Amino acid sequence: DVVMTQSPLTLPVTLGQPASISCRSSQSLVHSDGDSYLHWFQQRPGQSPRRLINKVSNRESGVPDRFSGSGSGTDFTLKISRVEAEDVGVYYCMQGTYWPHTFGQGTKVEIK
Amino acid sequence: EVQLVESGGGLVQPGGSLRLSCAASGFTFSGSWMAWVRQAPGKGLEWVANINRDGSAKFYVDSVRGRFTISRDNAKNSLYLQMSSLRAEDTAVYYCSKGSLDVCAQGTVVTVSS
Repeated sequence: DVVMTQSPLTLPVTLGQPASISCRSSQSLVHSDGDSYLHWFQQRPGQSPRRLINKVSNRESGVPDRFSGSGSGTDFTLKISRVEAEDVGVYYCMQGTYWPHTFGQGTKVEIK
Repeated sequence: EVQLVESGGGLVQPGGSLRLSCAASGFTFSGSWMAWVRQAPGKGLEWVANINRDGSAKFYVDSVRGRFTISRDNAKNSLYLQMSSLRAEDTAVYYCSKGSLDVCAQGTVVTVSS
């Protein structure tokens, strides 16, 4: 199985400051169709996961533009340009290139 | 509006069975891959099973293969997960999902305990 490794696992941030989460895969996520099926999810406390970014860098409808995704191959990053209070929660990367689809361990974003 | 509403969770003894259902609306169900994802208490997310648009292809994570069966009824816009030989480690919130977690339901709790 493809192993997804996130860092850090806990991210204390100051409101209004930027935040960055790294996700690395144990093998390249480039599919035979040329796309990389690396997605980012937000899970607020007590809620279901919500997809923020699909295929590395495509922001989902309704997702604030302070969220952005980048990367290629095995290294990917989720950035929040200015953290707001509503961004508190756990963030997961997930690969959908190979079966079984696998998630990172999650990064807990908390306010300092 | 896309909606996924689950039912069927509950408390079951080890070795028992349970069937989860997911009613879909607001999108073309028969045109979408569907999936089940779970989250054990205090833990991360785990993909459980996938099913293609017409139900002819199904994929399972190793830990549930042979015990769980994913199915769908496109006429009823419904997705199912038949779980048997349940173990304590199957205790989790189970989420019904459209596609690659494009949309996720509210989750239904399955507890396996004597």
